[in-house]
Amino acid sequence: QLQLQESGPGLVKPSETLSLTCTVSGGSITSSTSPYWGWIRQPPGKGLEWIGNIHYSGNTYYNPSLESRVTMSVDTSKNQFSLSLSSVTAADTALYYCASLSRTFLVTTYYYYIDVWGNGSTVTVSS
Amino acid sequence: SYQLTQPPSVSVSPGQIAAITCSGDQLRNKYVCWYQQRAGQSPVLLFYQDSERPSGIPERFSASNSGDTATLTIRGTQPMDEADYYCQTWDDSTAVFGGGTKLTVL
Repeated sequence: QLQLQESGPGLVKPSETLSLTCTVSGGSITSSTSPYWGWIRQPPGKGLEWIGNIHYSGNTYYNPSLESRVTMSVDTSKNQFSLSLSSVTAADTALYYCASLSRTFLVTTYYYYIDVWGNGSTVTVSS
Repeated sequence: SYQLTQPPSVSVSPGQIAAITCSGDQLRNKYVCWYQQRAGQSPVLLFYQDSERPSGIPERFSASNSGDTATLTIRGTQPMDEADYYCQTWDDSTAVFGGGTKLTVL
């Protein structure tokens, strides 16, 4: 059974870069049945916000509102994928989830959905 | 940008039917999925492709999508169903979440 575990600093200073890693176990990050990986965040007491997706080949989709600050990458040798978010502010304080995604196709569009979630990693932006 | 609108809260008595709506422009032309998030836990996929139920999701949960509204229905609601529920779709290469609905079972 696929399991995901986030890791990284719980406290980041304003203007610095938030970095998180997600370790995949119980399956390969290059699996043909589940080759898409993503990050979602949830500010305290609020709803879910999609950050972006990455294919193990490196192809990415980012939330337009975060795109200028986000970088995602995959390390197939470690079965891990990572998130970097630069120039953070207090508004980036959230519970960050990594996830495995699947997709279906309708007409001309792929629809991604999250079928496995990590436990989440709390990141606080504060000096 | 595309938006999905959910009621902030829904209340239901145990054993009754709960319906949670998710509205968006011409939503019927898109696939919708639903997630359940119990307090202090990670979300869980309830439905994808409008009404496809992953294995392990109880049959008392059902979902549909027509017109501008997708609906998650819970029949015979149980106290354990008390949670936040989120709809999600995809638009212009961007994932869109609804704001979430808190279901209270009382």
